[in-house]
Amino acid sequence: DTAVSQTPKYLVTQMGNDKSIKCEQNLGHDTMYWYKQDSKKFLKIMFSYNNKELIINETVPNRFSPKSPDKAHLNLHINSLELGDSAVYFCASSQYYTPRITKNIQYFGAGTRLSVL
Amino acid sequence: AQTVTQSQPEMSVQEAETVTLSCTYDTSESNYYLFWYKQPPSRQMILVIRQEAYKQQNATENRFSVNFQKAAKSFSLKISDSQLGDTAMYFCAFMKHGNAGGTSYGKLTFGQGTILTVHP
Repeated sequence: DTAVSQTPKYLVTQMGNDKSIKCEQNLGHDTMYWYKQDSKKFLKIMFSYNNKELIINETVPNRFSPKSPDKAHLNLHINSLELGDSAVYFCASSQYYTPRITKNIQYFGAGTRLSVL
Repeated sequence: AQTVTQSQPEMSVQEAETVTLSCTYDTSESNYYLFWYKQPPSRQMILVIRQEAYKQQNATENRFSVNFQKAAKSFSLKISDSQLGDTAMYFCAFMKHGNAGGTSYGKLTFGQGTILTVHP
């Protein structure tokens, strides 16, 4: 069973379109994340949610809107897609969000390659 | 803000030999975690090894070990008995300790990555 699953794996679309990427984890984790990996393979966090509450919101255009219907799901919706949005988007999850945690390991999905034409 | 630097864009090694990947970081925090993740051609990000900054003992996981030098802010990864399946991009990453709290908790800051090729 896949622990963190993202759909779709590949997404090709035209500029100006709106698209969503879905993420689900079956690990029982409380916290989920979205990362973006650009064409140079640089990985950067975009958002994190803990129990459906937004925790981290990096400097990301407001065309990107994460939505967490429950703690097992964190979807990423992107409006008015631009060429520069082409990248691989990774979802991740971890077990706890507490200052006393000593074991916080993030498990990643397989990534979604978004190509904007 | 924390930064992570991997100065080796590419490395290669012969099968069964040992290779060391370098990572340095910059932070004003005293308590943090450091990680090495592996990204094979399949694109999946896989955790290789993890180190807590407050532990002096270097972490080891089978053929993988780290050399953690806190004063020098250095965290290198040693892969012994390299195997063809070790061919991947390797990322060093930093995370503030949980006690730091705040809105940056859980944020992984990655280095630029090192492409490792293991030759038969």
